[in-house]
Amino acid sequence: TQLLEQSPQFLSIQEGENLTVYCNSSSVFSSLQWYRQEPGEGPVLLVTVVTGGEVKKLKRLTFQFGDARKDSSLHITAAQPGDTGLYLCAGNTGFQKLVFGTGTRLLVSP
Amino acid sequence: ETGVTQTPRHLVMGMTNKKSLKCEQHLGHNAMYWYKQSAKKPLELMFVYNFKEQTENNSVPSRFSPECPNSSHLFLHLHTLQPEDSALYLCASSQAPGQSYEQYFGPGTRLTVT
Repeated sequence: TQLLEQSPQFLSIQEGENLTVYCNSSSVFSSLQWYRQEPGEGPVLLVTVVTGGEVKKLKRLTFQFGDARKDSSLHITAAQPGDTGLYLCAGNTGFQKLVFGTGTRLLVSP
Repeated sequence: ETGVTQTPRHLVMGMTNKKSLKCEQHLGHNAMYWYKQSAKKPLELMFVYNFKEQTENNSVPSRFSPECPNSSHLFLHLHTLQPEDSALYLCASSQAPGQSYEQYFGPGTRLTVT
């Protein structure tokens, strides 16, 4: 069974702080996606990384795919209350199936 | 309407009831998915449909019965559910197999089985 472990599980920080969320697996994925889910809503796609070592930036969010395509990280600079939510990574097994991570719940307080 | 819509947003049903969840996508995609999201568990894939044909059933109990009449609509028929089936049921869509596997989710149906 392919597993994606995310850490930390919970993160409570003050506005303006920086943070990093990790997504780790022993499996190789053809691509990896990051989603953010707010209470009462479905996950919203943030980014897809495809190439080992790839780095993508989305405003204050920086996503990196590991060289071996087994892990990924999400770094948020100067977090804002609007960043609050559940962050999910999802690895593409190459068979139209996404394996979702265990999730990181982020709370950013003003 | 844009994106992926789901109805109802909330549903409470008894174990002997029969109900259906509906999903509609307005993205021109050809693949649709049902997921289950329970507390403290990762999102679980239930079913995959490509061009209206079921291509994946992830060992889902028969009390969950999917239906895909066309590439834009997906239903999940529910009958004789158990309390442990209470969860958020999410629908998603993506382009056809072989292309991007980026999936776009609906807002979900919060199901409570009493």
